[in-house]
Amino acid sequence: DAGVTQSPTHLIKTRGQQVTLRCSPISGHKSVSWYQQVLGQGPQFIFQYYEKEERGRGNFPDRFSARQFPNYSSELNVNALLLGDSALYLCASSLLSGQLNTEAFFGQGTRLTVV
Amino acid sequence: AQSVSQHNHHVILSEAASLELGCNYSYGGTVNLFWYVQYPGQHLQLLLKYFSGDPLVKGIKGFEAEFIKSKFSFNLRKPSVQWSDTAEYFCAVKTYSASKIIFGSGTRLSIRP
Repeated sequence: DAGVTQSPTHLIKTRGQQVTLRCSPISGHKSVSWYQQVLGQGPQFIFQYYEKEERGRGNFPDRFSARQFPNYSSELNVNALLLGDSALYLCASSLLSGQLNTEAFFGQGTRLTVV
Repeated sequence: AQSVSQHNHHVILSEAASLELGCNYSYGGTVNLFWYVQYPGQHLQLLLKYFSGDPLVKGIKGFEAEFIKSKFSFNLRKPSVQWSDTAEYFCAVKTYSASKIIFGSGTRLSIRP
């Protein structure tokens, strides 16, 4: 079975540009979450989507947005990129949302470098 | 706000040494607790998890962790480390009704062959 897949694996963008990152969850999983992992830190929660609805949002500016499609895949968009947006962006999928005793499975991540 | 503290930023051990990585969280209610590992160049993998029941949890690759509710702790242990355990280790917590997992800042483990 395929795990969580993310694309692209690496990306270099210029300040001020926009970027779209993609995630396909494990088959049967309806919840997708996005995390930002800056070098030397733990992942920070950005968004969670479940059944195409936003179920949670972390402390990130409005430049960050996301959506989930009918097939449960998801996109994370970041506008007006800043140097500080350089990070590993992780996608995690799980069966359910907002409940305990549910495991999240992480993808390999997209390494975004803003120059 | 909920938070997770990992006390050791970088731990250096020799092969066959015993390992204990500290983790404390701040939340008074029911929690799920996790340890994730990130090997160089690889994705985040689940080492072990605590949902309920026996507070001593066994995971993959010989790792175990003990949940001590009174101390809000979930320390990771391994009796004898190997060079292949070199990685970054993250403690994480999920609280009831929360949509997110809260991670600690990570502990980098380096094993001398």
